[in-house]
Amino acid sequence: AAGVIQSPRHLIKEKRETATLKCYPIPRHDTVYWYQQGPGQDPQFLISFYEKMQSDKGSIPDRFSAQQFSDYHSELNMSSLELGDSALYFCASSAMTGTGPPDTQYFGPGTRLTVL
Amino acid sequence: AQTVTQSQPEMSVQEAETVTLSCTYDTSESDYYLFWYKQPPSRQMILVIRQEAYKQQNATENRFSVNFQKAAKSFSLKISDSQLGDAAMYFCAYGRGSLSGGGADGLTFGKGTHLIIQP
Repeated sequence: AAGVIQSPRHLIKEKRETATLKCYPIPRHDTVYWYQQGPGQDPQFLISFYEKMQSDKGSIPDRFSAQQFSDYHSELNMSSLELGDSALYFCASSAMTGTGPPDTQYFGPGTRLTVL
Repeated sequence: AQTVTQSQPEMSVQEAETVTLSCTYDTSESDYYLFWYKQPPSRQMILVIRQEAYKQQNATENRFSVNFQKAAKSFSLKISDSQLGDAAMYFCAYGRGSLSGGGADGLTFGKGTHLIIQP
């Protein structure tokens, strides 16, 4: 079965640089979520989108922004990167309507961001 | 705000034996879902099992089953016939359901339990 696709899988940036992470949800999933997982931590919810509209917002820094496009893929834009932004960033998708069990989030493999 | 508590940072079990991982949560919502996710060393987050709060019957997926005690707000995971491939970090997670207005809400995770399988 098709899974959530994230790119790139690994990213190395310098402090104060910008980064863009991409997420392609499972086909026919209309909702995407972004999570940040620091070393030895549980995943922390950042933001979610349903039908291209922001749905829920968690502990996302003001330096970060995200959007969902007409093909349902999503991008997380991170600016003025800090050392503390080094983490594993997960995208997850779910189907609010239609296929699959509702309210179940399926996670991508994650993007490992290292800020030097 | 919802909270999820996993009181066991680490558990160890002999291969082929049974182990139970504990999770408690706190919520005032009526419609919600509970999940167990597994995170092996690859760090992929893999869904193990889910439970709808409105269902009294405990969910089961092959060797994995839950003991859902709604009144006590407890949601434990039982792994039977433990296998070496079960070694991972296990996260309990809470999600608000669509009927509570939370269909696209983020999940709240517990701190995780590191499960070690001894051969």
